[in-house]
Amino acid sequence: NAGVTQTPKFRILKIGQSMTLQCTQDMNHNYMYWYRQDPGMGLKLIYYSVGAGITDKGEVPNGYNVSRSTTEDFPLRLELAAPSQTSVYFCASSNPGEGTEAFFGQGTRLTVV
Amino acid sequence: GNSVTQMEGPVTLSEEAFLTINCTYTATGYPSLFWYVQYPGEGLQLLLKATKADDKGSNKGFEATYRKETTSFHLEKGSVQVSDSAVYFCALNSGNTPLVFGKGTRLSVIA
Repeated sequence: NAGVTQTPKFRILKIGQSMTLQCTQDMNHNYMYWYRQDPGMGLKLIYYSVGAGITDKGEVPNGYNVSRSTTEDFPLRLELAAPSQTSVYFCASSNPGEGTEAFFGQGTRLTVV
Repeated sequence: GNSVTQMEGPVTLSEEAFLTINCTYTATGYPSLFWYVQYPGEGLQLLLKATKADDKGSNKGFEATYRKETTSFHLEKGSVQVSDSAVYFCALNSGNTPLVFGKGTRLSVIA
Protein backbone atom coordinates (compact mmCIF):
# COMPACT_ATOMS: atom_id res chain seq x y z
CA ASN A 1 0.00 0.00 0.00
CA ALA A 2 1.21 3.48 -0.87
CA GLY A 3 -0.71 5.09 2.02
CA VAL A 4 -0.85 8.88 1.68
CA THR A 5 1.03 10.33 -1.27
CA GLN A 6 1.82 14.01 -1.66
CA THR A 7 3.26 15.78 -4.67
CA PRO A 8 5.44 17.69 -5.22
CA LYS A 9 8.03 17.17 -2.46
CA PHE A 10 9.59 20.60 -2.95
CA ARG A 11 8.49 23.77 -4.70
CA ILE A 12 9.63 27.37 -4.96
CA LEU A 13 6.96 29.91 -5.89
CA LYS A 14 7.18 33.59 -6.61
CA ILE A 15 4.92 35.98 -4.77
CA GLY A 16 1.51 36.12 -6.44
CA GLN A 17 1.81 32.77 -8.22
CA SER A 18 -0.64 29.97 -7.57
CA MET A 19 -0.25 26.23 -7.29
CA THR A 20 -2.02 23.04 -6.21
CA LEU A 21 -0.57 20.60 -3.74
CA GLN A 22 -1.78 17.11 -4.54
CA CYS A 23 -2.74 14.49 -1.98
CA THR A 24 -4.12 11.03 -2.59
CA GLN A 25 -4.73 8.08 -0.28
CA ASP A 26 -5.45 4.45 -1.07
CA MET A 27 -6.81 3.33 2.30
CA ASN A 28 -10.45 4.28 1.62
CA HIS A 29 -10.39 6.70 4.55
CA ASN A 30 -13.31 9.06 4.91
CA TYR A 31 -11.41 11.81 6.68
CA MET A 32 -8.62 13.84 5.13
CA TYR A 33 -6.68 16.82 6.47
CA TRP A 34 -4.19 19.48 5.47
CA TYR A 35 -1.75 20.78 8.07
CA ARG A 36 1.09 23.24 7.81
CA GLN A 37 4.20 22.98 9.94
CA ASP A 38 6.13 26.14 10.66
CA PRO A 39 9.50 25.94 12.44
CA GLY A 40 9.02 25.55 16.18
CA MET A 41 5.26 25.94 15.86
CA GLY A 42 3.89 22.44 15.59
CA LEU A 43 1.16 21.60 13.11
CA LYS A 44 -1.80 23.83 12.36
CA LEU A 45 -4.92 22.58 10.62
CA ILE A 46 -5.74 24.37 7.36
CA TYR A 47 -8.76 22.45 6.06
CA TYR A 48 -10.30 19.05 6.54
CA SER A 49 -12.91 16.85 4.94
CA VAL A 50 -15.13 14.17 6.42
CA GLY A 51 -16.12 12.72 3.07
CA ALA A 52 -16.44 13.40 -0.64
CA GLY A 53 -18.17 16.70 -1.29
CA ILE A 54 -17.73 17.97 2.31
CA THR A 55 -14.97 20.32 3.46
CA ASP A 56 -14.48 22.48 6.54
CA LYS A 57 -12.11 25.23 7.60
CA GLY A 58 -9.49 24.57 10.20
CA GLU A 59 -7.45 26.98 12.28
CA VAL A 60 -5.61 28.77 9.43
CA PRO A 61 -7.65 28.59 6.19
CA ASN A 62 -6.98 32.07 4.78
CA GLY A 63 -5.20 32.02 1.44
CA TYR A 64 -6.08 28.39 0.71
CA ASN A 65 -8.87 26.44 -0.95
CA VAL A 66 -9.68 22.73 -1.08
CA SER A 67 -12.03 20.38 -2.85
CA ARG A 68 -12.97 16.76 -2.27
CA SER A 69 -14.58 15.31 -5.36
CA THR A 70 -13.48 11.73 -4.62
CA THR A 71 -12.69 9.73 -1.48
CA GLU A 72 -9.07 9.35 -2.59
CA ASP A 73 -8.04 12.90 -3.48
CA PHE A 74 -7.86 16.11 -1.45
CA PRO A 75 -5.92 18.83 -3.30
CA LEU A 76 -4.92 22.08 -1.60
CA ARG A 77 -4.92 25.22 -3.75
CA LEU A 78 -2.83 28.29 -3.00
CA GLU A 79 -3.97 31.43 -4.77
CA LEU A 80 -1.72 34.51 -4.82
CA ALA A 81 1.17 32.97 -2.87
CA ALA A 82 2.65 35.08 -0.08
CA PRO A 83 5.93 34.70 1.90
CA SER A 84 3.83 33.87 4.98
CA GLN A 85 2.83 30.64 3.22
CA THR A 86 6.40 29.37 3.27
CA SER A 87 6.04 26.18 5.26
CA VAL A 88 5.99 22.40 5.13
CA TYR A 89 2.56 21.06 4.24
CA PHE A 90 1.32 17.68 5.38
CA CYS A 91 -1.71 15.79 4.17
CA ALA A 92 -3.21 13.11 6.40
CA SER A 93 -6.13 10.69 6.36
CA SER A 94 -8.01 8.60 8.87
CA ASN A 95 -11.22 6.75 9.50
CA PRO A 96 -13.76 8.30 11.85
CA GLY A 97 -14.00 7.11 15.42
CA GLU A 98 -12.46 7.52 18.82
CA GLY A 99 -8.74 6.91 18.92
CA THR A 100 -8.23 6.06 15.27
CA GLU A 101 -4.78 6.70 13.83
CA ALA A 102 -4.11 9.39 11.26
CA PHE A 103 -1.67 8.50 8.47
CA PHE A 104 0.55 11.25 7.09
CA GLY A 105 2.18 11.91 3.76
CA GLN A 106 5.87 12.78 3.46
CA GLY A 107 5.19 16.49 3.20
CA THR A 108 5.67 19.27 0.65
CA ARG A 109 8.26 21.91 1.40
CA LEU A 110 7.08 25.18 -0.13
CA THR A 111 9.11 28.36 -0.32
CA VAL A 112 7.57 31.62 -1.52
CA VAL A 113 10.10 34.23 -2.63
CA GLY B 1 -11.51 24.34 22.61
CA ASN B 2 -9.02 21.51 22.60
CA SER B 3 -5.34 22.28 23.11
CA VAL B 4 -2.06 20.53 23.88
CA THR B 5 0.97 21.92 25.69
CA GLN B 6 4.25 20.07 25.59
CA MET B 7 7.66 20.91 26.95
CA GLU B 8 9.91 23.10 24.88
CA GLY B 9 12.95 21.60 23.30
CA PRO B 10 15.47 20.86 22.19
CA VAL B 11 16.30 18.03 24.52
CA THR B 12 19.80 16.59 24.28
CA LEU B 13 20.60 13.32 26.03
CA SER B 14 23.41 10.83 26.09
CA GLU B 15 22.73 7.32 24.88
CA GLU B 16 21.07 5.10 27.54
CA ALA B 17 19.75 8.12 29.47
CA PHE B 18 16.17 8.28 30.74
CA LEU B 19 13.74 10.38 28.71
CA THR B 20 10.64 12.27 29.81
CA ILE B 21 8.74 14.65 27.56
CA ASN B 22 5.87 16.35 29.34
CA CYS B 23 2.47 16.82 27.73
CA THR B 24 -0.68 18.32 29.23
CA TYR B 25 -3.98 18.92 27.54
CA THR B 26 -7.25 20.82 27.68
CA ALA B 27 -10.26 19.19 26.09
CA THR B 28 -14.01 18.93 26.21
CA GLY B 29 -15.35 15.47 26.82
CA TYR B 30 -13.05 12.48 26.93
CA PRO B 31 -10.28 12.81 24.36
CA SER B 32 -8.02 10.18 22.87
CA LEU B 33 -4.33 10.98 23.33
CA PHE B 34 -1.47 10.28 20.95
CA TRP B 35 2.26 10.61 20.57
CA TYR B 36 3.54 10.98 17.02
CA VAL B 37 7.20 10.92 15.96
CA GLN B 38 8.78 12.69 13.00
CA TYR B 39 12.18 11.44 11.85
CA PRO B 40 14.31 13.83 9.78
CA GLY B 41 12.87 14.47 6.32
CA GLU B 42 9.79 12.33 6.93
CA GLY B 43 6.14 12.73 7.76
CA LEU B 44 4.62 12.01 11.15
CA GLN B 45 3.95 8.47 12.26
CA LEU B 46 2.04 7.18 15.23
CA LEU B 47 4.23 6.12 18.14
CA LEU B 48 1.56 5.21 20.71
CA LYS B 49 -1.90 6.12 21.88
CA ALA B 50 -4.37 5.80 24.75
CA THR B 51 -8.12 6.18 24.50
CA LYS B 52 -9.31 6.26 28.10
CA ALA B 53 -8.17 7.26 31.55
CA ASP B 54 -5.40 5.13 33.11
CA ASP B 55 -4.65 3.43 29.79
CA LYS B 56 -0.96 3.02 29.06
CA GLY B 57 0.22 3.20 25.46
CA SER B 58 3.56 1.62 24.62
CA ASN B 59 5.73 0.99 21.57
CA LYS B 60 9.46 0.61 20.84
CA GLY B 61 10.30 1.02 24.53
CA PHE B 62 8.32 4.26 24.84
CA GLU B 63 5.41 4.53 27.26
CA ALA B 64 2.78 7.11 28.19
CA THR B 65 -0.09 6.87 30.67
CA TYR B 66 -3.38 8.75 30.26
CA ARG B 67 -3.82 10.67 33.52
CA LYS B 68 -7.22 12.30 33.68
CA GLU B 69 -6.71 13.79 37.15
CA THR B 70 -3.66 15.75 36.00
CA THR B 71 -4.75 16.04 32.31
CA SER B 72 -1.36 14.69 31.29
CA PHE B 73 0.16 12.16 28.88
CA HIS B 74 3.91 12.29 29.49
CA LEU B 75 6.19 10.28 27.20
CA GLU B 76 8.93 8.19 28.81
CA LYS B 77 11.68 5.84 27.74
CA GLY B 78 14.09 4.15 30.07
CA SER B 79 17.14 4.06 27.81
CA VAL B 80 17.30 6.18 24.67
CA GLN B 81 19.32 5.34 21.57
CA VAL B 82 20.83 7.54 18.88
CA SER B 83 18.14 6.24 16.53
CA ASP B 84 15.47 7.86 18.76
CA SER B 85 16.62 11.32 17.66
CA ALA B 86 13.51 12.91 16.17
CA VAL B 87 10.74 15.41 16.86
CA TYR B 88 7.97 14.14 19.13
CA PHE B 89 4.43 15.53 19.02
CA CYS B 90 1.70 15.08 21.58
CA ALA B 91 -1.80 15.22 20.10
CA LEU B 92 -5.44 14.66 20.96
CA ASN B 93 -8.84 14.35 19.41
CA SER B 94 -12.29 13.95 20.83
CA GLY B 95 -15.20 12.38 19.03
CA ASN B 96 -14.59 12.80 15.33
CA THR B 97 -12.69 16.09 15.57
CA PRO B 98 -9.36 16.49 13.74
CA LEU B 99 -6.14 15.96 15.68
CA VAL B 100 -4.82 18.94 17.63
CA PHE B 101 -1.04 18.94 18.06
CA GLY B 102 1.44 20.37 20.50
CA LYS B 103 4.40 22.35 19.17
CA GLY B 104 6.72 19.36 19.14
CA THR B 105 9.87 18.56 21.10
CA ARG B 106 13.12 17.91 19.28
CA LEU B 107 15.19 15.14 20.86
CA SER B 108 18.85 14.66 20.06
CA VAL B 109 20.64 11.61 21.45
CA ILE B 110 24.43 11.61 21.35
CA ALA B 111 26.64 8.54 21.52
